[in-house]
Amino acid sequence: EPEVTQTPSHQVTQMGQEVILRCVPISNHLYFYWYRQILGQKVEFLVSFYNNEISEKSEIFDDQFSVERPDGSNFTLKIRSTKLEDSAMYFCASRIWTYEAFFGQGTRLTVV
Amino acid sequence: GIQVEQSPPDLILQEGANSTLRCNFSDSVNNLQWFHQNPWGQLINLFYIPSGTKQNGRLSATTVATERYSLLYISSSQTTDSGVYFCAVNQAGTALIFGKGTTLSVSS
Repeated sequence: EPEVTQTPSHQVTQMGQEVILRCVPISNHLYFYWYRQILGQKVEFLVSFYNNEISEKSEIFDDQFSVERPDGSNFTLKIRSTKLEDSAMYFCASRIWTYEAFFGQGTRLTVV
Repeated sequence: GIQVEQSPPDLILQEGANSTLRCNFSDSVNNLQWFHQNPWGQLINLFYIPSGTKQNGRLSATTVATERYSLLYISSSQTTDSGVYFCAVNQAGTALIFGKGTTLSVSS
C-alpha cells in the first residue's frame, strides 16, 4: 500500500542551526502539507502546497520556514535558524483530488 | 475559523469494554477524518467520513453533517487501542483542522 515516508525519524539540532525535514508523498498525489505537534498538544497546520506553490499557510509559518518540492518526488520543510520552541513532531501529509489526507510517520525534532 | 471539539478528553477502560468518542464542529465541512495516534507518535488513518456510517472491524464511525458532529465507536476494546484519537475536519480549499484529541487508556 502506498504511503507517505519521512526522513529522518528523529533529529537533534543545536539552537540556531538550519534543519531540513524530508518527505516523499504518495506518488500520484497533488496536494502536500506540513503539520507540527508540540509534545502533548494537538496537531497544528503549518503550510499547504499545490502546483508548485504555497496555497495556504498558518501564522506559525513565518519567515524562518520554507518549503520546496525540488524534484517532483520530494517535499521538504526547512527551518532556517531553529529555536527551542521548534522542538516538536513534524508531519508531512498528501492527498489526491479527494479530501482524504494521508500522513507520514513523523520526524521528531529536538532543539538543544 | 472552524472550531473542533472532542469529548471526553480522557477515557479509561477495562479490556473488553465499549466506548464512544465524540467530535463536534462549528461549521459545515467537506471532509472529516478520524486518526489514532499510537505510542510511537504515528497518525493512523481510521476513517474518512464526511457523512454517513462506516465500519472497520471493531471500530465504526458515524457523521451527521447536518448536526455537525461525528461519533467514533470502539467495541470490545483491547490494550492496543490505547493512544490518542483525533478528529480533523476541513472545508473546500483549506487544510485539515484537528481537535485536541481523546486520550484512551485500556488496561488488561
